[in-house]
Amino acid sequence: ETGVTQTPRHLVMGMTNKKSLKCEQHLGHNAMYWYKQSAKKPLELMFVYNFKEQTENNSVPSRFSPECPNSSHLFLHLHTLQPEDSALYLCASSQETEAHQPQHFGDGTRLSIL
Amino acid sequence: GQNIDQPTEMTATEGAIVQINCTYQTSGFNGLFWYQQHAGEAPTFLSYNVLDGLEEKGRFSSFLSRSKGYSYLLLKELQMKDSASYLCAVMDSNYQLIWGAGTKLIIKP
Repeated sequence: ETGVTQTPRHLVMGMTNKKSLKCEQHLGHNAMYWYKQSAKKPLELMFVYNFKEQTENNSVPSRFSPECPNSSHLFLHLHTLQPEDSALYLCASSQETEAHQPQHFGDGTRLSIL
Repeated sequence: GQNIDQPTEMTATEGAIVQINCTYQTSGFNGLFWYQQHAGEAPTFLSYNVLDGLEEKGRFSSFLSRSKGYSYLLLKELQMKDSASYLCAVMDSNYQLIWGAGTKLIIKP
């Protein structure tokens, strides 16, 4: 139990579907992150939120849309995805963004695009 | 550009010692992290180094040389449960984590 919960664990969707990934952290952290993890590649940072404000968008296509209603919850809304978007999507949290603190990760959502 | 290099895969024997190396070139340095990730699970934090030298935590130790842009993770008395991927990440001057692709460690009986 890492204190970061992601749902669903697995998601299969067609290219025209709309779905959302959810992340919740119970650690009292103020920063939350979305990462994409593809096989044999480094983790790719997608979005960063600090105190509910988006501080980083790493040139992510607009078919990925994040939402952070409060410091404990983070969503990733998906629409019109492509086959190359199939990957493991990891959510993480940390005390703040500008601190030497480790990030704590959820187990991820395994996304498959048909 | 920023770059983190670590071996793709390593194999070791139960009870032995293994060293996983990581070299980095980044824009600034605010520390180096090691994470463990079992298949299908979350990466979990192992260690953090910001000063040169060796940090020991039980069976796991992590070493840093900032002048050489080099770190290693040392695992002693290997157990089957240590089979996992080990991720090296450097925090750059913007406090962003730059990640290596991970080293898959296979432990054989």
